[in-house]
Amino acid sequence: QVQLQQSGPGLVKPSQTLSLTCAISGDSVSSNSGFWNWIRQSPSRGLEWLGRTYYRSKWYNDYAESVKSRITINADTSKNQFSLQLNSVTPEDTAVYYCARRSRLGIDLWGRGTLVTVSS
Amino acid sequence: DIVVTQTPLSLSVTPGQPASISCKSSQSLLHSDGKTYLFWYLQKPGQPPQLLIYEASNRFSGVPDRFYGSGSGTDFTLKISRVEAEDVGVYYCMHSKQLPLTFGGGTKVEIK
Repeated sequence: QVQLQQSGPGLVKPSQTLSLTCAISGDSVSSNSGFWNWIRQSPSRGLEWLGRTYYRSKWYNDYAESVKSRITINADTSKNQFSLQLNSVTPEDTAVYYCARRSRLGIDLWGRGTLVTVSS
Repeated sequence: DIVVTQTPLSLSVTPGQPASISCKSSQSLLHSDGKTYLFWYLQKPGQPPQLLIYEASNRFSGVPDRFYGSGSGTDFTLKISRVEAEDVGVYYCMHSKQLPLTFGGGTKVEIK
């Protein structure tokens, strides 16, 4: 059974970096069919796609324009996981952050979510 | 960006009665590969969204056949033939025809 296990701090200070990790079991981050995504959810923004990483003979990344200058998504094949870094956070970045897999059937698998609060 | 708009915002349904949710997109979701990239999700309280329908009309594995997705182009509908208590939550449509993926604002379904 494929699972995504999220980890990372739930509280980040303004102007600092939000870092989350998503460990994959039952699938491979370097599969030739998967896309590995970060999505966040807040009352003000709803569900918002942030970006993805995927491997097709080499690694590719795509990011939402709204966070493009501040976001990095990386894959770690040795640990079979991928990560999110969001720099220079503000209270508007407070949200539940989800990692999610997109397969040929769509986004079919989600992590449980991590509530990240940006506050001093 | 493709904008996806859902209606209504909320529904209150008697168990055993049908329910219908509409999703409209600002552009056609028909891709050049012939597939229509519209998806339906249900988010139960305290849980991540779970996939119900993929490519507009295909039920995902394990989804009861009382859930039915239809539509094409820019207009889509999710129907529940007979609502059960376990169907409460917020329903979202989402497109993945192009980046960025975008979601509708959600429809909250509750039981009368």
